[in-house]
Amino acid sequence: DTGVSQNPRHKITKRGQNVTFRCDPISEHNRLYWYRQTLGQGPEFLTYFQNEAQLEKSRLLSDRFSAERPKGSFSTLEIQRTEQGDSAMYLCASSSPGRPPGQYFGPGTRLTVT
Amino acid sequence: EDKVVQSPLSLVVHEGDTVTLNCSYEVTNFRSLLWYKQEKKAPTFLFMLTSSGIEKKSGRLSSILDKKELSSILNITATQTGDSAIYLCAVVYGGSQGNLIFGKGTKLSVKP
Repeated sequence: DTGVSQNPRHKITKRGQNVTFRCDPISEHNRLYWYRQTLGQGPEFLTYFQNEAQLEKSRLLSDRFSAERPKGSFSTLEIQRTEQGDSAMYLCASSSPGRPPGQYFGPGTRLTVT
Repeated sequence: EDKVVQSPLSLVVHEGDTVTLNCSYEVTNFRSLLWYKQEKKAPTFLFMLTSSGIEKKSGRLSSILDKKELSSILNITATQTGDSAIYLCAVVYGGSQGNLIFGKGTKLSVKP
């Protein structure tokens, strides 16, 4: 499978715990994005990497959220001191400035904070 | 405030019907508009539109952008139950391809 992969697919955690998600983009894609999607809403942009550089960070991303892409390949998204409001689907997407166009999404990690 | 608005929010049709989904946007420095289909999991890419008036087609789906009206439509002809999904419109804007804003989506249900 050469698509975008995400792990874990589901995560249940207690409020206050830290969680970390991983995204492996399509190998030839140099751009990687993180989104959060809650029920009934379209995905909300969180952050964007070009290679290993984090170029954009949404105002939605509080200090409890951090993302890295250390070698310009896979990325991790960490949420510290989780809150119930963090419960959502976290989507990763990748793209390349060349063709084909568009961002290609992974299956997502569903986070439930109890 | 930058925004993308889709209409209708939900739609129920019967197999064989033709549907038109709408997307309008207000953003600074528009670059392109994307359509996605989302079933149970992550969105899958359908079309990217950058030029006004040029129709993109893929099977029974087609889409066109109107930059003057700041809108796009997605048409699905001869709908099938497998077309049931949420259709998301997203706009790329600003100085970086990281600025992508999604609409809330149109939930399409196709009844047999």
